[in-house]
Amino acid sequence: EAGVAQSPRYKIIEKRQSVAFWCNPISGHATLYWYQQILGQGPKLLIQFQNNGVVDDSQLPKDRFSAERLKGVDSTLKIQPAKLEDSAVYLCASSLRYVRVSPLHFGNGTRLTVT
Amino acid sequence: AQSVTQLDSHVSVSEGTPVLLRCNYSSSYSPSLFWYVQHPNKGLQLLLKYTSAATLVKGINGFEAEFKKSETSFHLTKPSAHMSDAAEYFCVVSEAGGSEKLVFGKGTKLTVNP
Repeated sequence: EAGVAQSPRYKIIEKRQSVAFWCNPISGHATLYWYQQILGQGPKLLIQFQNNGVVDDSQLPKDRFSAERLKGVDSTLKIQPAKLEDSAVYLCASSLRYVRVSPLHFGNGTRLTVT
Repeated sequence: AQSVTQLDSHVSVSEGTPVLLRCNYSSSYSPSLFWYVQHPNKGLQLLLKYTSAATLVKGINGFEAEFKKSETSFHLTKPSAHMSDAAEYFCVVSEAGGSEKLVFGKGTKLTVNP
């Protein structure tokens, strides 16, 4: 089966600019996650979708970050305006069912550098 | 709230020797515990998971982990390291109910020397 697809692979922007990341999960996976992984740290959950509804966005900085999952399939994560501390790898993951039952499948991530 | 502490940020072993990566967890309810591996420029991959069944869990590539509730630990082991095991390893906890979100540790970088 095809894995989780993310694009772009790398992105360099200046602070205060906007950026968007795209994720296409594994076909049939109802749950989609966006994680932020800062260098030297473990991934931190930003937002979790179940189909096209938000399950958890408690750690999403809503003043600058937004995410949507149209029709319960693809998802985009946007940052506007970007700050230096947003430099990180943004990981998308999907799972068929709950994590106790189904493993998360991760994409290769988008590495964002904010200068 | 749940959390995990990976006790070593770096572990270095020689090829053919045992691997031990330590993880302690904190959870209010019955946790699920996982180990994920991240090779350079690759996506995170599930190694193994514990979800309240057998306390000794076997995973891929010869890795295993033992859930010890009394010690709140979930250490990852492998009897004999291979060069291809060099990677970053993450201990992860999830609580039952709610969103079941995964909370990652900070990671342990494993170096395998020839």
